[in-house]
Amino acid sequence: DAGVIQSPRHEVTEMGQEVTLRCKPISGHDYLFWYRQTMMRGLELLIYFNNNVPIDDSGMPEDRFSAKMPNASFSTLKIQPSEPRDSAVYFCASSQQLAGEETQYFGPGTRLLVL
Amino acid sequence: GENVEQHPSTLSVQEGDSAVIKCTYSDSASNYFPWYKQELGKGPQLIIDIRSNVGEKKDQRIAVTLNKTAKHFSLHITETQPEDSAVYFCAASIQGAQKLVFGQGTRLTINP
Repeated sequence: DAGVIQSPRHEVTEMGQEVTLRCKPISGHDYLFWYRQTMMRGLELLIYFNNNVPIDDSGMPEDRFSAKMPNASFSTLKIQPSEPRDSAVYFCASSQQLAGEETQYFGPGTRLLVL
Repeated sequence: GENVEQHPSTLSVQEGDSAVIKCTYSDSASNYFPWYKQELGKGPQLIIDIRSNVGEKKDQRIAVTLNKTAKHFSLHITETQPEDSAVYFCAASIQGAQKLVFGQGTRLTINP
């Protein structure tokens, strides 16, 4: 398996623009997670899905952030409008629902810079 | 909710020496404790995990210990090598709940 795939790997945009980050989880995984990593706040869980349904979005910072999972093999995280404080590395991770198999596998991340 | 504290934030050791990173957690219901290694420009990768029914687990040069009473767990790396240099994260969750809470990370540097 190719592992978790994220695109783009790097994104530079201007404040006010819409940003869309994409993720393809590992085939067969039931859970998908979106994290944000910054020096100040570390690794923060933004939202996670189970079988394409959002379960917990309490980590989403504000209404400018939205996430969707239209099918089992694709998810998006959208920021509209973007702000400089959104600059961070965004990770997608996936895991299986099986007990004892809950290891989360992370993608390579998208490094976002908002100017 | 769960809170995970990790210490130290930075650690520098001589090649060949041992390194120890410690974490404490707040939720006594937590029973799954993974450790992740993050190399520069990459996502975190699982290196070892432990469940609450086990006190210690070892995989070659890496070991993890768990003290449920004190609610802390530690990562031990022996015979450190330059390729062990990375940022290490501990995490905790309730088994089956899927949601992980991560520590702040430890930047480990192995000096040749």
